[in-house]
Amino acid sequence: DAGVTQSPTHLIKTRGQQVTLRCSPKSGHDTVSWYQQALGQGPQFIFQYYEEEERQRGNFPDRFSGHQFPNYSSELNVNALLLGDSALYLCASSFSWQPSSYEQYFGPGTRLTVT
Amino acid sequence: AQRVTQPEKLLSVFKGAPVELKCNYSYSGSPELFWYVQYSRQRLQLLLRHISRESIKGFTADLNKGETSFHLKKPFAQEEDSAMYYCALRLYNNNDMRFGAGTRLTVKP
Repeated sequence: DAGVTQSPTHLIKTRGQQVTLRCSPKSGHDTVSWYQQALGQGPQFIFQYYEEEERQRGNFPDRFSGHQFPNYSSELNVNALLLGDSALYLCASSFSWQPSSYEQYFGPGTRLTVT
Repeated sequence: AQRVTQPEKLLSVFKGAPVELKCNYSYSGSPELFWYVQYSRQRLQLLLRHISRESIKGFTADLNKGETSFHLKKPFAQEEDSAMYYCALRLYNNNDMRFGAGTRLTVKP
């Protein structure tokens, strides 16, 4: 099991463009969460997907949207990119029927640079 | 607002010395606290969680609700403990995880 995988590894976009990031969860996991990690900061929760629906959302504008597919993989879309969107985007997967000791497995991240 | 604070961005100790990484949180509900670790060129991974009351790689952390703290401790640091450590708070019955800014621990030989 390769664990959580993300693509691409790095991405450079121009301000105003749109970007799509992809994530495949760990085998057996059905829930995917996305985080933004700015330089020198901890990860910040964007949203979580379960059963192909957005289950929870952090404090991010509507420019950030997502999707989950029947195979549990997920996409993060960001429209109208701003310079401030430059960050490492992390995907984390988990299993919805875990006990209360909630555990997420993180991917290696996608480094997005907006110029 | 629910928040996690790690007051030290950098912490340096010598091998064999005790180490304590501080974590404070603000949350009025019933928290779930975690410590995540990121070793050089590796992905973020769970180290331990308060609910399990476990010791992983010699590290322990006790939730102190009175002081709203969840400090990570190890009595004898090893060079391989050098890494970035993040404290995280999961809100009760919620999937939003709040991370601190992290502490970079360096264990010198």
